[in-house]
Amino acid sequence: QQQVKQSPQSLIVQKGGISIINCAYENTAFDYFPWYQQFPGKGPALLIAIRPDVSEKKEGRFTISFNKSAKQFSLHIMDSQPGDSATYFCAASRALFRSRLTFGEGTQLTVNP
Amino acid sequence: DGGITQSPKYLFRKEGQNVTLSCEQNLNHDAMYWYRQDPGQGLRLIYYSQIVNDFQKGDIAEGYSVSREKKESFPLTVTSAQKNPTAFYLCATVPGQDYNEQFFGPGTRLTVL
Repeated sequence: QQQVKQSPQSLIVQKGGISIINCAYENTAFDYFPWYQQFPGKGPALLIAIRPDVSEKKEGRFTISFNKSAKQFSLHIMDSQPGDSATYFCAASRALFRSRLTFGEGTQLTVNP
Repeated sequence: DGGITQSPKYLFRKEGQNVTLSCEQNLNHDAMYWYRQDPGQGLRLIYYSQIVNDFQKGDIAEGYSVSREKKESFPLTVTSAQKNPTAFYLCATVPGQDYNEQFFGPGTRLTVL
């Protein structure tokens, strides 16, 4: 079963706009929530991650918002650029097995010039 | 040049043939993972290995086999029992059990004709 649900499946944004990708999880034992970025033909790479003791984490133009009670977290990309066009995956893992990640379905982001 | 090598980048096989995908790393990471990526389904875990000579089934292990005879290598065999083998296969490594971040290789695209 899919324990991490991601939406939307695809997203088109104009340059300079805000891209928002949402994820919801079921397992309350999850305590680490990363986002991975994947360019076409490449492997994913860690973009940003958050733990549930904070509600928001920002790194440059990328921000994770976390709502523990709703079991949801989201990625916001401010001032989106064409170079941000990629597939984004949310993921989650448990404290007892930190390196085993459960991934969402992925969101294909296209930023138009 | 350190990193994760997956070869070949593209692989074509006839239906009914077994095929082995290579994953080599010189990062001295303990754990290695194999994922399958299909459009709209995210990354699904096939097998993982936390130490040499030990490996565990992931969520979709049927029709696949692995070995971990060396720390640097974790080959994946796609057998004829795998019903839909055409996919993008990704290998990942993790420094150790207490680490969260996974480091991905460039992937192998397998097409079964």
